Amino acid sequence: AQSVAQPEDQVNVAEGNPLTVKCTYSVSGNPYLFWYVQYPNRGLQFLLKYITGDNLVKGSYGFEAEFNKSQTSFHLKKPSALVSDSALYFCAVRDENYGQNFVFGPGTRLSVLP
Amino acid sequence: DTGVSQDPRHKITKRGQNVTFRCDPISEHNRLYWYRQTLGQGPEFLTYFQNEAQLEKSRLLSDRFSAERPKGSFSTLEIQRTEQGDSAMYLCASSLLPAGSQETQYFGPGTRLLVL
Repeated sequence: AQSVAQPEDQVNVAEGNPLTVKCTYSVSGNPYLFWYVQYPNRGLQFLLKYITGDNLVKGSYGFEAEFNKSQTSFHLKKPSALVSDSALYFCAVRDENYGQNFVFGPGTRLSVLP
Repeated sequence: DTGVSQDPRHKITKRGQNVTFRCDPISEHNRLYWYRQTLGQGPEFLTYFQNEAQLEKSRLLSDRFSAERPKGSFSTLEIQRTEQGDSAMYLCASSLLPAGSQETQYFGPGTRLLVL
């Protein structure tokens, strides 16, 4: 079965600095990988996805993620953090061998300090 | 607003009562998903529909839970004989499955359930 780990509960970064939110996964087949962001009292918003093709995926709000098959990772990155990026970030995976069962990680809370 | 909507946004009920939640997906989307999210956790998949057919159910979906999507548009999630452990945020998402692609799910704001 598929699983997702987000090893950091909390990430703090100063505004203007680069940020990384880590995600590793485990699947038996090919992975479909997603990042979502959740702001307080709002639903999850899609940021980006990796299905196939280029390992570097660019998404909304200046975020990008790099798929690394050998390390089974899909870390979320942004070159210059904004205070408004402060939110809860979820990585999700779907294993091509397990139907539509998307598995989400536990989330990482990002705080961007002014 | 043409996003996914859910009703109600909040529900407080007493243990043993039945509750029903509604989800209205983005209008042309053919897939609809239900998730449950508890504090400090990511969403957990419950079930999904393609059009009106319920194609997959998680083991988390006990026999007290039932979901329908009778006309392939809106969906309802009913919990019978609620228990305190059912307290959670119930999320709905929808997607459009294009040919040869992995679709993106778009989430509603959720219904927060508190069982007293």
